[in-house]
Amino acid sequence: QKEVEQDPGPLSVPEGAIVSLNCTYSNSAFQYFMWYRQYSRKGPELLMYTYSSGNKEDGRFTAQVDKSSKYISLFIRDSQPSDSATYLCAMRDTGGFKTIFGAGTRLFVKA
Amino acid sequence: EAGVAQSPRYKIIEKRQSVAFWCNPISGHATLYWYQQILGQGPKLLIQFQNNGVVDDSQLPKDRFSAERLKGVDSTLKIQPAKLEDSAVYLCASSLRGDEAFFGQGTRLTVV
Repeated sequence: QKEVEQDPGPLSVPEGAIVSLNCTYSNSAFQYFMWYRQYSRKGPELLMYTYSSGNKEDGRFTAQVDKSSKYISLFIRDSQPSDSATYLCAMRDTGGFKTIFGAGTRLFVKA
Repeated sequence: EAGVAQSPRYKIIEKRQSVAFWCNPISGHATLYWYQQILGQGPKLLIQFQNNGVVDDSQLPKDRFSAERLKGVDSTLKIQPAKLEDSAVYLCASSLRGDEAFFGQGTRLTVV
């Protein structure tokens, strides 16, 4: 079993839809949770960075962490064609330095 | 603020040849990472430096891969000899305190 599981998609939605992206993990020691956006032929770009459980909102993006279920989500409201990219979840424990990435979910937002 | 710079952007080599990649992190960032991203997968950490010391190189294939970070700034990653399965994007990232990492655009390596 991989430490971090993420559905690779692709996920195709119409413009304006609410998008839900998810990851599950197995290591209960993970405390830091991140979402990165990666456009084609570009490096990953940090979108959201959260610590422990709860919600964090930034503009159209909301990150949600449920440590009891070992489940994290990224919600995108009013999705735009410019949101079309691969979204990578990542996580790290408090003691270690290694960040583990999910495989990424490809998202297409159609105009 | 300038981002993480990497070169070259693309490289095509034959198997068994050697190749080197260069990375210049964001100024002042003590932590530098090299990741390998195979098509359709998430980035996998190869090596992590804190200043010029190695923090984690547990997933670096040391029989063929080497990396150095002289003077705690720029870094180079070398592969010698290359194999077909080394075809991937090699990403360099840096962070101030080992937390939020900022990535470069990557070097796309094709081994034929």
